[in-house]
Amino acid sequence: DVKVTQSSRYLVKRTGEKVFLECVQDMDHENMFWYRQDPGLGLRLIYFSYDVKMKEKGDIPEGYSVSREKKERFSLILESASTNQTSMYLCASRIGTSPHEQYFGPGTRLTVT
Amino acid sequence: GQQVMQIPQYQHVQEGEDFTTYCNSSTTLSNIQWYKQRPGGHPVFLIQLVKSGEVKKQKRLTFQFGEAKKNSSLHITATQTTDVGTYFCAGRSGNSGYALNFGKGTSLLVTP
Repeated sequence: DVKVTQSSRYLVKRTGEKVFLECVQDMDHENMFWYRQDPGLGLRLIYFSYDVKMKEKGDIPEGYSVSREKKERFSLILESASTNQTSMYLCASRIGTSPHEQYFGPGTRLTVT
Repeated sequence: GQQVMQIPQYQHVQEGEDFTTYCNSSTTLSNIQWYKQRPGGHPVFLIQLVKSGEVKKQKRLTFQFGEAKKNSSLHITATQTTDVGTYFCAGRSGNSGYALNFGKGTSLLVTP
């Protein structure tokens, strides 16, 4: 079975802190994605990566950056956390390009105070 | 970007009643996927539809892809409490690159 893991289930950070969210997949998938999920807004794509060191902006990249130095790992970085970045963050991976299913990690609930 | 609209936002049914959620796109989709997210969980892939007019069934769940490949539906017959969760559709148009566009989801509550 594909496994997508995220570094933390719950995280509390202060405004202005630099925050790293880590995602690791164990199935050699080329594509990896970061979403945030907020009530009533569904899943919104922040960034995705289709290969090592490659990245593309999603729908809401402002305030975020990403890093993919190794195929299995995709990191989301909040350069200076703000309270409006309090959310559930979901990582996903997928083999190749569509049409293939996406596998999601368990999510990280980030609270910025 | 491409918009994928999903209705209704919420649905509350009695156990045994049927349920349908609808997904509509402003552009033609190359494929559409459906995911289910249980309360407190993460989205899990249910199915993918690729062909115009395609219909697929998984036990009590019936998935349809419209003839114009701009809409899709998920119908659950005789809901059970285990069907509780949020159902998302996600579509990709031919020129949208690697990413799927997710609808906002329909949250289903089933009371016994």
